[in-house]
Order: sequence, then structure tokens, then C-alpha cells
Amino acid sequence: KAGVTQTPRYLIKTRGQQVTLSCSPISGHRSVSWYQQTPGQGLQFLFEYFSETQRNKGNFPGRFSGRQFSNSRSEMNVSTLELGDSALYLCASSLAVPPPYEQYFGPGTRLTVT
Amino acid sequence: SQQGEEDPQALSIQEGENATMNCSYKTSINNLQWYRQNSGRGLVHLILIRSNEREKHSGRLRVTLDTSKKSSSLLITASRAADTASYFCATKEYGNKLVFGAGTILRVKS
Repeated sequence: KAGVTQTPRYLIKTRGQQVTLSCSPISGHRSVSWYQQTPGQGLQFLFEYFSETQRNKGNFPGRFSGRQFSNSRSEMNVSTLELGDSALYLCASSLAVPPPYEQYFGPGTRLTVT
Repeated sequence: SQQGEEDPQALSIQEGENATMNCSYKTSINNLQWYRQNSGRGLVHLILIRSNEREKHSGRLRVTLDTSKKSSSLLITASRAADTASYFCATKEYGNKLVFGAGTILRVKS
């Protein structure tokens, strides 16, 4: 079974631009979560989507948004990029039911904002 | 926000030695998970221990959980150079939200 895939793997953007990251979950997984990892703040939860609905959201500004499609693929968007948005963005998928909800992570997208 | 502290922040050992990492958390939990991350890549799920379990084994891994102290430990026995990585504990909140500790960087020298 193919793992979680994320595209692109590396991205360089300029302050003020916007960016869209993509995540394809493991086949059959309906829950997709996004995390941001930085040296200063560590791993922080961004949001979770389940059956095309945002089920949970972390403490990030509205510039961070996401969506999930009917095939469970997910995208996250960051608008008006800031230098502090430079991070590794990780996507994780899960069956969601039954518990205990083991999550499988993709390799991440490394975003650099200059 | 991070769930708690991991101890130590960094650990350097020789191949063949055991490595122990500790994790503390703040809220009551249903389960606690440990993940490994190699050099800024994706996280790999290692083991999950439920709140009604005190100890769990998986290969060279042993995890203990003390809910009264809100702490867990991960022991890697007979470590190998390939175990060099960062190790994170995580607890689950609503839905599939995971709250991670700060992590322990393990370096195994050959």
C-alpha cells in the first residue's frame, strides 16, 4: 500500500506570496491532519479534515487554510507569506475509525520564505 | 502548544548501549504514542500505549506509562547507528489532533 505523499517536497517563496501544499493520504484513509514543524516551536497542529469537513483547528492565523476533496486528498494554503512561515509542513492520514487512530505521516514539504 | 517536556533534550551513546527517553504530559489521556523522525523528514509511528497499560514492548522498544505522574519513558535496547533520530511522544486530543513533546535527539555512535 502506498504511503502518504506530499508535493512539492521543497519550495522557496518570497514574503507576501501565497503557497499551496498538497497531501495524498493512504488509500482508504479519510482523516488528514496538517502540522507545522519549526526549530523554535516544534511540532504544532494546524488542522484536521475528515470527510471534506474541517474537524479541528490549531492556533494559527487565518492566513492558514485548508480543504479536503471527495477523494480525501487535502491541500493547505498559506497566504501573505511571512519569514516565520518557513518550516517543514507535515501531513498525516488516519483511518479515523476505529480507534486508536494511528496516524501515518508523509515526508513533508520544506517551505523556505525569503 | 506542546504537551510537555521531554528529557533529555539530546542523548549521545555508543552502539550497543541502551537509550532511555522520558516524556511528561499535562492532561489526562486515553493513550500516548511515540514517533521517530530521521533528519527533518516525516514521522514514523513506533508504538502506542493505552492509559490502562503500564508497559508495552515492540522489538527492541519498551515503553512505560505512569498516569499518576503523567509521564512515559521509551527504552531502546542494544542501540544501532540507524536509531540515530529525534524521538517524540504525542498525546491525542479531540479528533486526530496530536500534541507533541519537544523531542529528544538521539545520536548513536558506531
